[in-house]
Amino acid sequence: EAAVTQSPRNKVAVTGGKVTLSCNQTNNHNNMYWYRQDTGHGLRLIHYSYGAGSTEKGDIPDGYKASRPSQENFSLILELATPSQTSVYFCASGDLTGAYAEQFFGPGTRLTVL
Amino acid sequence: AQSVTQPDARVTVSEGASLQLRCKYSYFGTPYLFWYVQYPRQGLQLLLKYYPGDPVVQGVNGFEAEFSKSNSSFHLRKASVHWSDWAVYFCAVSPLLLSGSFNKLTFGAGTRLAVCP
Repeated sequence: EAAVTQSPRNKVAVTGGKVTLSCNQTNNHNNMYWYRQDTGHGLRLIHYSYGAGSTEKGDIPDGYKASRPSQENFSLILELATPSQTSVYFCASGDLTGAYAEQFFGPGTRLTVL
Repeated sequence: AQSVTQPDARVTVSEGASLQLRCKYSYFGTPYLFWYVQYPRQGLQLLLKYYPGDPVVQGVNGFEAEFSKSNSSFHLRKASVHWSDWAVYFCAVSPLLLSGSFNKLTFGAGTRLAVCP
C-alpha cells in the first residue's frame, strides 16, 4: 500500500544539537514537502523538492536544511536546534496528474528541543 | 499571494446535530480547494477536494463542501455529526496549475471540532 512514513515519531533534542528527520514515500511521487504544525498557524511549508537531488525553500526555511537523495527519501535537517523549533513536523508527497493537486501526509514527528 | 482563513478556532456540536465549518480563501483566479482532517495523533487525511466544476463536492464519511466564488468561501458541512468526527479540520488552497508543476498548498489555522454526547 502506498504510504508516507516518518522517523522518528518522537524526538527530544538539546539546544545546539543536530537533528535529522527522515521521510520515506512509496507513492512514486516527484514532489515532497516538509511542514511544521503549530497551534494557531496550521501547517507551514519549510522546504520542498521536485525530485531526487533538488531542494527548494518554502515559506519558513530559516534554521532548516533539506536533502533529497532519492525519489523515495526526503530529510529535514536542523544543524543547530533551538527551542523555537519545538513543533510537530509533517512530510508529504504529491504530484499533479492531470488536474489533481492532492498531497499525502505522513503521521508526523513530534520534536521537543530543550 | 494566496491565503486561507478559518474564523472558528473551536466548534462544539452535539452528536447527531448538523455541522458547518467555515473557510474563506484569498486567491486571484480559480483555485483548487481542499478540506483535510487530522484525527488525534495522526497525520492529515483528505476529506474532499474542489476543482472547477460543480460547486458542491462530496467527500468521505458524509461530508460535503460548497464553493462560492462570490463569497470566496468553501464551507464544510455534515448533516449529522458522529462522535468519531472529533478532530481538527484544515481548509487549504492551491493555485490551478498545469500538470507537472509544483502544487503549493496554503493551509488555514484549523478548526478543532468537539462532539458532545
